Amino acid sequence: DTEVTQTPKHLVMGMTNKKSLKCEQHMGHRAMYWYKQKAKKPPELMFVYSYEKLSINESVPSRFSPECPNSSLLNLHLHALQPEDSALYLCASTPGEGNTIYFGEGSWLTVV
Amino acid sequence: EDQVTQSPEALRLQEGESSSLNCSYTVSGLRGLFWYRQDPGKGPEFLFTLYSAGEEKEKERLKATLTKKESFLHITAPKPEDSATYLCAVQAAQAGTALIFGKGTTLSVSS
Repeated sequence: DTEVTQTPKHLVMGMTNKKSLKCEQHMGHRAMYWYKQKAKKPPELMFVYSYEKLSINESVPSRFSPECPNSSLLNLHLHALQPEDSALYLCASTPGEGNTIYFGEGSWLTVV
Repeated sequence: EDQVTQSPEALRLQEGESSSLNCSYTVSGLRGLFWYRQDPGKGPEFLFTLYSAGEEKEKERLKATLTKKESFLHITAPKPEDSATYLCAVQAAQAGTALIFGKGTTLSVSS
């Protein structure tokens, strides 16, 4: 089983709303990621968690707040987003360096 | 600077017309090169991981190869269901586990 599950699949939020994206994997992977993907562009790295600790933050604005409650769960808290933040948000996980990184189906976010 | 370049950006093939997609890379210490397939509106689906020059992997109509500077994804006798964007990514020694993606090749196969 190489499944990374993301919820919700679609989210529409206003610029003053607070919402969260959730990601879950039960493969025992120790590294988890958030990527952002705009149309016709490759995924862009946002955050990396390794052993439940934030190891990489690619200068992401503070209106995006990641959280890793345990080794199986990864959240992305959203607050005061802008319309240009509308994109496909991808979660991924891997057992470690040099190993395959598996992606979820993504959460489509629309900011209105 | 670590970099991944894919070509062509777009490729149109007739069903059964074999071709290759290219991924050239410049990284300081390659930990792995990954190929993914992505359908519109969905997350990338893992295809292959290659670790060292000379390595080859196959899956159905797809075959991935690796040299010290580039990788090729060969598509033999493609079918319309092979239409997708194919992404190449590398994991570099100094970047931890994060992937560096190319811009992708969008393949369209018509019957």
